[in-house]
Amino acid sequence: QKEVEQNSGPLSVPEGAIASLNCTYSDRVSQSFFWYRQYSGKSPELIMSIYSNGDKEDGRFTAQLNKASQYVSLLIRDSQPSDSATYLCAVFFYNNNDMRFGAGTRLTVKP
Amino acid sequence: ETGVTQSPTHLIKTRGQQVTLRCSSQSGHNTVSWYQQALGQGPQFIFQYYREEENGRGNFPPRFSGLQFPNYSSELNVNALELDDSALYLCASSSDRLYEQYFGPGTRLTVT
Repeated sequence: QKEVEQNSGPLSVPEGAIASLNCTYSDRVSQSFFWYRQYSGKSPELIMSIYSNGDKEDGRFTAQLNKASQYVSLLIRDSQPSDSATYLCAVFFYNNNDMRFGAGTRLTVKP
Repeated sequence: ETGVTQSPTHLIKTRGQQVTLRCSSQSGHNTVSWYQQALGQGPQFIFQYYREEENGRGNFPPRFSGLQFPNYSSELNVNALELDDSALYLCASSSDRLYEQYFGPGTRLTVT
């Protein structure tokens, strides 16, 4: 089992819809969770961080963390074509001080 | 723009050669992490430097080594290059080892 897993997609949603991206992680000591957006040919861009159970909202983005289920998700409301990118889930594992990324989910928002 | 810079942008090397990649961290950041990203994959953690000390390491062989300088800039050195080392190399800086990491634009390395 990979340490951080995401559905590779592609995920396609119409403009204005809610896009839901999911991520699960292995049972290691972890505390910090991040979502990055990566456009083709570019480096990852941090869009959300979450450190405790529950929801965290920032504009059109909501991150949800459930440590008991080892699950973190990202919701994008009112999706726009400019949101079309690969979304990377990242988990910081304390026991080795390393950040592990999922393979990413490719999102396409259709006008 | 994150304020993290990397050089060079692109690099072509021959198998067996050595390469040094450079990274300048964002102002106020004392932690630099290096990643390798193959096409279609997520970034793979190489190692992290915190206040000039290696603070964690991923599953990369010893021929991948690094340094962090007093101004918190960093270098990644790769010896005895292999074809599979061809990838995008990313550095990311953060204000502390636990916090949000901000990526530079990356260095695209091609090994022929």
